[in-house]
Amino acid sequence: EAGVVQSPRYKIIEKKQPVAFWCNPISGHNTLYWYRQNLGQGPELLIRYENEEAVDDSQLPKDRFSAERLKGVDSTLKIQPAELGDSAVYLCASSLPGQRYNEQFFGPGTRLTVL
Amino acid sequence: GESVGLHLPTLSVQEGDNSIINCAYSNSASDYFIWYKQESGKGPQFIIDIRSNMDKRQGQRVTVLLNKTVKHLSLQIAATQPGDSAVYFCAESRSGGSNYKLTFGKGTLLTVNP
Repeated sequence: EAGVVQSPRYKIIEKKQPVAFWCNPISGHNTLYWYRQNLGQGPELLIRYENEEAVDDSQLPKDRFSAERLKGVDSTLKIQPAELGDSAVYLCASSLPGQRYNEQFFGPGTRLTVL
Repeated sequence: GESVGLHLPTLSVQEGDNSIINCAYSNSASDYFIWYKQESGKGPQFIIDIRSNMDKRQGQRVTVLLNKTVKHLSLQIAATQPGDSAVYFCAESRSGGSNYKLTFGKGTLLTVNP
């Protein structure tokens, strides 16, 4: 079974440019998460989707970050415009839905470098 | 503030030795804990979890110990192998409406010397 797929794996852009990351979760996983991981730190949640609905975006910097999951499967995370401090690894994870904690499966991430 | 942290940022062991990675948490409301392994260029991978109604849980070559009195969590890896070299994160989750939300610590880099 394929895991969580993310693309691109690496992205280098200049500040003020836009950038987008794509995620395809594990088949059947209705819950999708976007995390940001700074160097040497643990991942931090940005947004969580249940199907196509963003049920927790409280940690998403909405002035420059946006996300969508139009058909409840693939998701895109966008930054516009990017700032130097946005350099990080952006991780996508997915899990089965439910009231109890369900294991989150992480993709390999997209490493963003903003110059 | 409330946080999940690690005592040591790096740990170097000899192949075949046992490894112990520690984690402290500050919120007594935390009731679910998970250890993740992250290899270079990969996302975190689930290793083992433990709920707060348990003190110990064993997996294959790994054991997690939970001491709620001092809010301490540890991961023990038996007969450490070169393939165990990675960054290890503990994460906490809390029951209730936000039971999905993981709070990660900073991570410990484990290096296994042949």
